[in-house]
Amino acid sequence: DIQMTQSPSSLSASVGDRVTITCRASQSISSYLNWYQQKPGKAPKLLIYEASSLQSGVPSRFSGSGSGTDFTLTISSLQPEDFATYYCQQTYSYPYTFGQGTKLEIK
Amino acid sequence: QVQLQESGPGLVKPSETLSLSCTVSGGSISSYYWSWIRQPPGKGLEWIGYIYYSGSTNYNPSLKSRVTISIDTSKNQFSLKLSSVTAADTAVYYCARGHPLRYCSSTSCYLAFDYWGQGTLVTVSS
Repeated sequence: DIQMTQSPSSLSASVGDRVTITCRASQSISSYLNWYQQKPGKAPKLLIYEASSLQSGVPSRFSGSGSGTDFTLTISSLQPEDFATYYCQQTYSYPYTFGQGTKLEIK
Repeated sequence: QVQLQESGPGLVKPSETLSLSCTVSGGSISSYYWSWIRQPPGKGLEWIGYIYYSGSTNYNPSLKSRVTISIDTSKNQFSLKLSSVTAADTAVYYCARGHPLRYCSSTSCYLAFDYWGQGTLVTVSS
């Protein structure tokens, strides 16, 4: 299985900050990397697919980059509604696997 | 607007079979990969498997011996059965739509999960 490792596991930041979350795959996954946002008690929400494509309806302050094994999710200016847990996921090979999550908290 | 809704028992006894259904509304079940994903309380996400509308399936090897996913296109529903459950199977179970990003290769169908159900907590306990 391809292991997905996110860093950091948790992060404290303030409204207006620029935040970057990293996801590393244990082997190359080309660009088949998705990012999801999950709020407590809610289902995950797709933010970014194929490493850098913004899902319809997602604010443009979210962006993704990377290919191969190293990927980043950037939030350019944190808003109050962005405090949540973020997961990366690879669909390059079976079984699909997720990172362990990054919890973004208010400083 | 596509909506998915899980249904099924919230409590299952150890060694029995967990059965859940997911009803899809607001869109066609055709041309997508319909998946089950679970999340133990306080933990991360685990992909269980998917079924294509044509009926072909792919399962996580860690669960493959115990999992069956089926589909009823006439009812716009798909279902999960997980046999011989233990406390380790206690989780919130989500159904989700897998949107294909491009053609499938021999090693994968490249998907993004763009619509999810609200999730249903299934507890395994006697």
